[in-house]
Amino acid sequence: NAGVTQTPKFRILKIGQSMTLQCAQDMNHNYMYWYRQDPGMGLKLIYYSVGAGITDKGEVPNGYNVSRSTTEDFPLRLELAAPSQTSVYFCASSYPPRAVNTEAFFGQGTRLTVV
Amino acid sequence: QQQVKQSPQSLIVQKGGISIINCAYENTAFDYFPWYQQFPGKGPALLIAIRPDVSEKKEGRFTISFNKSAKQFSLHIMDSQPGDSATYFCAASTGNQFYFGTGTSLTVIP
Repeated sequence: NAGVTQTPKFRILKIGQSMTLQCAQDMNHNYMYWYRQDPGMGLKLIYYSVGAGITDKGEVPNGYNVSRSTTEDFPLRLELAAPSQTSVYFCASSYPPRAVNTEAFFGQGTRLTVV
Repeated sequence: QQQVKQSPQSLIVQKGGISIINCAYENTAFDYFPWYQQFPGKGPALLIAIRPDVSEKKEGRFTISFNKSAKQFSLHIMDSQPGDSATYFCAASTGNQFYFGTGTSLTVIP
């Protein structure tokens, strides 16, 4: 079982560059999420999706975009990288949070540094 | 605004001791309260979870205590082991989202 797969694991970007963080899950989960993790700040929700074709903003969406064309994939796009986007990014997926066996499965994370 | 407030930020416990991490929330719409464990370089993984219709849930050495009236819940790790050294996140969810606390870094000293 692959679970949630994120690529790349590490990336260094220059200010103003753009990139896409890839996320794929093979558990047929409708719900997918992107979080960023900064020291002492916990996990902040960037965007989430409740199904293919549906996305919504989380707590910290500025500077990011997402799309959800399939159930399996949920890429996160950074258009103009800024130093404030230096962080560890986690993708997660789950059944609906109110389902009986709700568990958010996380990927291994992408460590992004913007210089 | 932090939806779920977690304390302490860090915790050092002797092997065999009890580790206690506390969380508080305001939103009464939350209806699911999981705890996640994260080891360095890994993504968080579900440890134990509770719904508000029960006041306590125990799985092995891990127990969640839930106080609905006070809007607080806590994680107790009994007989703490060095292998429990990790970051722990409490969380709360509504229908669509999980809101996470800021995390507690637990170190268990042999």
